[in-house]
Amino acid sequence: GAVVSQHPSWVICKSGTSVKIECRSLDFQATTMFWYRQFPKQSLMLMATSNEGSKATYEQGVEKDKFLINHASLTLSTLTVTSAHPEDSSFYICSARDPITGRQETQYFGPGTRLLVL
Amino acid sequence: DAKTTQPPSMDCAEGRAANLPCNHSTISGNEYVYWYRQIHSQGPQYIIHGLKNNETNEMASLIITEDRKSSTLILPHATLRDTAVYYCIVRVSDTDKLIFGTGTRLQVFP
Repeated sequence: GAVVSQHPSWVICKSGTSVKIECRSLDFQATTMFWYRQFPKQSLMLMATSNEGSKATYEQGVEKDKFLINHASLTLSTLTVTSAHPEDSSFYICSARDPITGRQETQYFGPGTRLLVL
Repeated sequence: DAKTTQPPSMDCAEGRAANLPCNHSTISGNEYVYWYRQIHSQGPQYIIHGLKNNETNEMASLIITEDRKSSTLILPHATLRDTAVYYCIVRVSDTDKLIFGTGTRLQVFP
């Protein structure tokens, strides 16, 4: 299947700082990417849909000024957690839809980024 | 949006077939059923998806009932590496969004 990468794989930061997480589609171009958050022993929660060249669409209850999303190219979307606090500590996962005919119905997920805010 | 119901956990002996059920009684006619799995501390891995017909690939088989209200994921010969949380998801109509439920934690034992 298609490959999606994330960087960094884990990050520890101090409360009040901002953290940027990158999501890349390595062997395909993705006009749409998705960002999820997962707390321990819970399921994935969709945060937002990232659209190349336009504003992201946020799910209800997700603060757009807190979680800044930029999708500047067809292979890269970034999620910036601004003024991070301990309650933002979580596992952040991105996914991208492979537009290749025959695979266009499928989303592929990155390996995730574990964020710990002290 | 159609919701899915899965048993919280299942056990399976290594080498045996693992049959994971999923109920999606409110599914609409144009909504696909997707299966993903998540091994601990990793991103979800795509397994298979289908609309009406049964599907098979190198990983698994997907059996969808005729009324489309339920489906079963079959891992024909489970291995220890198949231990994971398996998510049955109905893709939201006219969007690409995948809404994850609580999934089934499959434990494959020797």
